[in-house]
Amino acid sequence: KAGVTQTPRYLIKTRGQQVTLSCSPISGHRSVSWYQQTPGQGLQFLFEYFSETQRNKGNFPGRFSGRQFSNSRSEMNVSTLELGDSALYLCASSLVVGNSPLHFGNGTRLTVT
Amino acid sequence: DQQVKQNSPSLSVQEGRISILNCDYTNSMFDYFLWYKKYPAEGPTFLISISSIKDKNEDGRFTVFLNKSAKHLSLHIVPSQPGDSAVYFCAASDNFNKFYFGSGTKLNVKP
Repeated sequence: KAGVTQTPRYLIKTRGQQVTLSCSPISGHRSVSWYQQTPGQGLQFLFEYFSETQRNKGNFPGRFSGRQFSNSRSEMNVSTLELGDSALYLCASSLVVGNSPLHFGNGTRLTVT
Repeated sequence: DQQVKQNSPSLSVQEGRISILNCDYTNSMFDYFLWYKKYPAEGPTFLISISSIKDKNEDGRFTVFLNKSAKHLSLHIVPSQPGDSAVYFCAASDNFNKFYFGSGTKLNVKP
């Protein structure tokens, strides 16, 4: 079974630009979550989608948005990039049947200059 | 507000000995707890989990202990191997599929 796939692996953008990150979950997983990891920080929850609906949202500004498609693939968008948005963005999928662990992709490393 | 805390940023252990990684949480509504291992340039890999109805779960060399009264979680690795050297994250969930992660502990297992 293929794991969670994130594209691209690396991105370099300048301040003020916008960026879209993509995530394909494990086949059969309908929940997709996004997390931000910065140096010295744990993983900060961005949002979670299930059946194309955002079910949970973390404490991030409205510049961070996402969506999920009918095939469970998800995209995350960050508009008006700031230097502080430089981070590793991780996508995770889960079965959401009882207690199910998150399964992570390898992330997209975003650098804002 | 950090609901899951890992107070030790790093831990160094000799190969063959026990590694004990600790995690504290504040939210009594958490009912599912997990440990992840992360190598550089890779995403976190799920290691082991435990639900709040249990106080111990084992999987090979990895054992997770849960002390609900102390709101404390620990991961024991026995015996430790050099390949276990990585950053370990604990995580907790309140059953809304929203997970809270600690800041990680970097484990170094010396040969």
